[in-house]
Amino acid sequence: DAKTTQPNSMESNEEEPVHLPCNHSTISGTDYIHWYRQLPSQGPEYVIHGLTSNVNNRMASLAIAEDRKSSTLILHRATLRDAAVYYCIPTGGGNKLTFGTGTQLKVEL
Amino acid sequence: SAVISQKPSRDICQRGTSLTIQCQVDSQVTMMFWYRQQPGQSLTLIATANQGSEATYESGFVIDKFPISRPNLTFSTLTVSNMSPEDSSIYLCSVRGTGAYNEQFFGPGTRLTVL
Repeated sequence: DAKTTQPNSMESNEEEPVHLPCNHSTISGTDYIHWYRQLPSQGPEYVIHGLTSNVNNRMASLAIAEDRKSSTLILHRATLRDAAVYYCIPTGGGNKLTFGTGTQLKVEL
Repeated sequence: SAVISQKPSRDICQRGTSLTIQCQVDSQVTMMFWYRQQPGQSLTLIATANQGSEATYESGFVIDKFPISRPNLTFSTLTVSNMSPEDSSIYLCSVRGTGAYNEQFFGPGTRLTVL
């Protein structure tokens, strides 16, 4: 499994965009980049995933570097409900998710 | 999507006893997973449970300590045996979706405290 590096924590103000970075320099060519988040006292939930191209869905956008060694999860307008731990998980498309330490996002009024 | 429930939601147990955690899914799924989240830590996969076959355990986890049952496509149990305080964790089950993204859906977790 590819190793990931994420900031331990980040802060944002409500209604502002948030860019959560992830370094995955050892990613293999066939690994997808998945992002999950874990809200307080809940199980993780899927956010988004991509392979090479940037991706958008109703929750977020995913920007993937051209060399695929890093990616950025973008929350366009952070709300208090987005406060969570965000995990970047490269995976080979199989079933195993290897969670790193993630980034604790704090959102303030 | 899949809706997952777990029982119990939390429990406090004595050292040396065992606890069985139940996981119920609202749809039939092939693969179910059990994770452990120790206090302040990230999630670690314990095992993968397929219906009709033995569970596959990750390195560091053994069947004698964490026996798993998977009697049908909507249900699984994880037993934490001969518990010690080091087993105090949140235990989560998850399933792999069948939609286009094959994302995993997680239950709310069972918070276990061992005294």
